[in-house]
Formats: sequence, C-alpha cells, structure tokens
Amino acid sequence: AQKVTQAQTEISVVEKEDVTLDCVYETRDTTYYLFWYKQPPSGELVFLIRRNSFDEQNEISGRYSWNFQKSTSSFNFTITASQVVDSAVYFCALSVGGYSTLTFGKGTMLLVSP
Amino acid sequence: EAQVTQNPRYLITVTGKKLTVTCSQNMNHEYMSWYRQDPGLGLRQIYYSMNVEVTDKGDVPEGYKVSRKEKRNFPLILESPSPNQTSLYFCASSLWGPSGTDTQYFGPGTRLTVL
Repeated sequence: AQKVTQAQTEISVVEKEDVTLDCVYETRDTTYYLFWYKQPPSGELVFLIRRNSFDEQNEISGRYSWNFQKSTSSFNFTITASQVVDSAVYFCALSVGGYSTLTFGKGTMLLVSP
Repeated sequence: EAQVTQNPRYLITVTGKKLTVTCSQNMNHEYMSWYRQDPGLGLRQIYYSMNVEVTDKGDVPEGYKVSRKEKRNFPLILESPSPNQTSLYFCASSLWGPSGTDTQYFGPGTRLTVL
C-alpha cells in the first residue's frame, strides 16, 4: 500500500522568509509519480509539479523549488522569499505506476504574515 | 476554456434523501475521479473511471455510487446520505490518469452538509 506523510500540520512564517514543506512517501513499486498541489483559501486545487521516480533532478520554478531524494523517500518543497499570496494548504500526492489511484498526504497549512 | 465543472457548489440536505453531484469536463479526458476532503485527513479517493463504462473503487467508496455513461460526465450518487458524508467533494479529470505524464485537473469543489 502507498502512503504519503506530511508531518507538518501548520507552518507560520513572516513574509520574505524561506520555508520548506516536507513530504515523505512509502511505496514498494519502482515506478511511481509524485505531485504537489496548492489549495488557496478560495478552495480550488492547483497543480504545481509532477515528478516520476526515474527523474531525481531537482526543479526550480521562480520562487518554488523541489528536492526529490529517493534515498530518503522524500519530495520536499521550498518556497524562497515567501509572500502573503503563498498562504494556502499544500498537498503532496503519490501515484504508483500501473494503478490509477492518487494517494494524498494530509496537507500542510502555510500561513505567511506580512 | 478547459475546465471541470461541478454542480451544485453547495448543498445542504437531510439524512436519507438521495442526491447526485454532477461532474463534467470539456477536455475529452479518459480518466475521471472523485475525492472527498476532510479536516485532518487530506483528500481521499472515492471512485475513479479509466474510461466510459469502466469504474473502480478508491479508498473510501462506501455509501457512494458512480456511473460513466459518457466520456464527459461522471456523477457521484449518494443513495442514502448520512451525516458522516458531510464533506468537501472534488471531481478531477486527466487524459490517462495520475500514473501518466499528464496533469490532473480538479473541479471547484462541492461542499455538502448532511443534517
């Protein structure tokens, strides 16, 4: 069975601070896909990134960066110079190759105050 | 505009009164899915459909039914709703499914309250 753990339930930072959201996953499959979604206060789910298990390259997109480490089964998400608009709940999710279910973590609520 | 739509967005009902939440996508996606979101539990998959006439259970299917008679529509049916089904429901679609290389698009959510 697959499992995604987001140990940080809630994080509060002040604007311009860097913040890292942790995601640890469990699966016995060698082919899998990892995702991050953002849920702002308005409630919709916004896709941020997808990474497959064969691609351990880290990715940077503007102020966002992702660190994928198979050795520690982690797929952490860092926001550099956080802004108030980054306040949201962030979900990490896992899908295993050959199956069609998406397993979400419980989410981390990020509050960025001015 | 490519989108997933859900109706209604908000619904308050009473125990035992059958209801249907509709979901429609205009992207010709094969894969559709329903999730429920509860505080402290994240999102959990209820049912999914790989294509027309093919559906399968997710992690929490009890008390729900689905059907996929057309590619674009994937309604969620609660035959006899109970208070523990009070939740925020999301429909999602993607070209092939979360194991592929495509993006899963989510609807705006339906907030259901069962009294």
